[in-house]
Amino acid sequence: SYVLTQPPSVSVAPGQTATITCGGNSIGGKTVHWYQQKPGQAPVLVVHDDSDRPSGIPERFSGSNSGNTATLTVSRVEAEDEADYFCQVWDSSSDHYVFGTGTKVIVL
Amino acid sequence: EVQLVESGGGLVQPGRSLRLSCAASGFTFDDYVMHWVRQAPGKGLEWVSAISWNSGTIGYADSVKGRFTTSRDNAKNSLYLQMNSLRAEDTALYYCAKDRGGGRLHSWGQGTLVTVSS
Repeated sequence: SYVLTQPPSVSVAPGQTATITCGGNSIGGKTVHWYQQKPGQAPVLVVHDDSDRPSGIPERFSGSNSGNTATLTVSRVEAEDEADYFCQVWDSSSDHYVFGTGTKVIVL
Repeated sequence: EVQLVESGGGLVQPGRSLRLSCAASGFTFDDYVMHWVRQAPGKGLEWVSAISWNSGTIGYADSVKGRFTTSRDNAKNSLYLQMNSLRAEDTALYYCAKDRGGGRLHSWGQGTLVTVSS
């Protein structure tokens, strides 16, 4: 089955940039979505189709996808960005949707 | 405003069954693929199942295939998850989610908790 690997945690100071990676075999050939989940809340879509933002999501959130790594970048990090982040793809070979292992972003 | 409200969770013994429901409002329900996603306590997200608008295509994660059945009633704007032969590892918060295309889960409910324990 297709596996998406994320770092367990990323620490970043306010105002700096957080970079969250999502590794998967030839993930650049797939479409990646990213979700933010705060404690006790349902996930929220923050980036879809590799690099597009839903309405209402700050421009500070951006995404890219190439080769074996997709990346979610949060610029000018704020305290409210502290959350878990999950990548997601559809794996055509298994016809399954797959979530990444998740990354906790810690704002110092 | 899109609303998804899950119900039906609770404490159940291993081997028993449970049926979850998801009531949808604020959008044209039968225009969209719907998903079930679960999250074990303190763990990550796990995709469970997806169902097309007309129930013609239904997919399941390997971990639940043969035990869980997803269905929908478009006349009632409702999504269902019939869970049989429940195991301790099925303990999780179960979310329903609306797919805006290509697996973009744009709207989520608040989840219903299923605990499988003797």
